[in-house]
Amino acid sequence: AQSVTQLDSHVSVSEGTPVLLRCNYSSSYSPSLFWYVQHPNKGLQLLLKYTSAATLVKGINGFEAEFKKSETSFHLTKPSAHMSDAAEYFCVVIDNTNAGKSTFGDGTTLTVKP
Amino acid sequence: EAGVAQSPRYKIIEKRQSVAFWCNPISGHATLYWYQQILGQGPKLLIQFQNNGVVDDSQLPKDRFSAERLKGVDSTLKIQPAKLEDSAVYLCASSFEGAAGYTFGSGTRLTVV
Repeated sequence: AQSVTQLDSHVSVSEGTPVLLRCNYSSSYSPSLFWYVQHPNKGLQLLLKYTSAATLVKGINGFEAEFKKSETSFHLTKPSAHMSDAAEYFCVVIDNTNAGKSTFGDGTTLTVKP
Repeated sequence: EAGVAQSPRYKIIEKRQSVAFWCNPISGHATLYWYQQILGQGPKLLIQFQNNGVVDDSQLPKDRFSAERLKGVDSTLKIQPAKLEDSAVYLCASSFEGAAGYTFGSGTRLTVV
């Protein structure tokens, strides 16, 4: 069975400082991994995805994530936080060998202080 | 391209009543998903359709929840009868193929009182 663990339920950073949101996963040998963002009262938006190509993935709004198979991690980073980054972030794993079954993490709430 | 359309946006019902949600996926997206997102938790997959066939409904409470996708396009999710613990946001998503990622609708916020 696959699973996703987002290691921090809340992360607080100051504007202009780096962001790190951590995600560990357990899946088959060929998972696809995603990060989604959800702003208050808004729908889920795809930030970036890893689908077995380059292990360093660049997404929208300056976010990046690195797939590390040896550590089963897919941490999300951004060099400099902006106030508009405050939101809920979800790490998602899709099992490509099981009809694309998806599992969401429980989310990390990012707070950005001025 | 138009996004995933869901209606209604909000619904308040009493327990033991029934309710239905509607989803229109992005044109050409063969795969459609219904998720339940309880406050403070990540979305939980209820059912996944590939065209009009069910791929995964292992987490759908089949004694009260049902879903259909007629003609492989629109889909409806029904709850009958509703319980207090069904209060959640119900999200619909579609994808061309799973590895490409999903596009989510804005969701339906259900409150059962």
